[in-house]
Amino acid sequence: DIVMTQSPDSLAVSLGERATINCKSSQNILYSSNNKNYLAWYQQKPGQPPKLLFYWASIRQSGVPDRFSGSGSGTDFTLTISSLQAEDVAVYYCQQYYSNPFIFGGGTKVEIK
Amino acid sequence: QVQLQESGPGLVKPSETLSLTCTVSGGSISSGGYYWNWIRQHPGKGLESIGYIYYSGSTYYNPSLRSRVNISVDTSNQLSLRLRSVTAADTAMYYCARAGVHYYGSGKPWPSAFDLWGQGTMVTVSS
Repeated sequence: DIVMTQSPDSLAVSLGERATINCKSSQNILYSSNNKNYLAWYQQKPGQPPKLLFYWASIRQSGVPDRFSGSGSGTDFTLTISSLQAEDVAVYYCQQYYSNPFIFGGGTKVEIK
Repeated sequence: QVQLQESGPGLVKPSETLSLTCTVSGGSISSGGYYWNWIRQHPGKGLESIGYIYYSGSTYYNPSLRSRVNISVDTSNQLSLRLRSVTAADTAMYYCARAGVHYYGSGKPWPSAFDLWGQGTMVTVSS
């Protein structure tokens, strides 16, 4: 199985400041034939199901604010919130869909400092 | 717009079978173009993919659950999950989710990211 490791486990950021979440896969999840990274990012607010933010590592899902960005390739990926808003308090998960079983990272809890 | 809604008993006894349904509204589960998934989340923990079914009927199950799980689709536009011989370790929030289809260059279909989720249903395994 491909192991997905997120860091940090939690972070507290002041409103308007940048938040950066890292995700590392134990194997390359870039498919060379199509140059796509099989990685998604989700946001889960308390009491709600996860919500897709990014797919193919950097393609923003419709409706996601542009203060969110996804980057990275191969085995190292980053989710960045450029200017943290109160409504961004949530747990964020990365997930690989390169090979079965599809594994999620352990999650990163983002709070307001 | 397509919506997913899970339903089922909130309490299941140990060794019995957990049976959940996900009703898809606003679209046909059999029309193709999507994989239909079950994912669970243990209390206060992360997400675990249970498995999925393609509209063609092909399925995949997480090896950790493969011996006990069955996912199916019925004609009433519902996705079903059956998990046999449950224990307390199966206590979790269960979600159904839709994943788009991505085609490799060879034309082989493959699931994409989970773009639509149900609200989830909490299942507790206890006597």
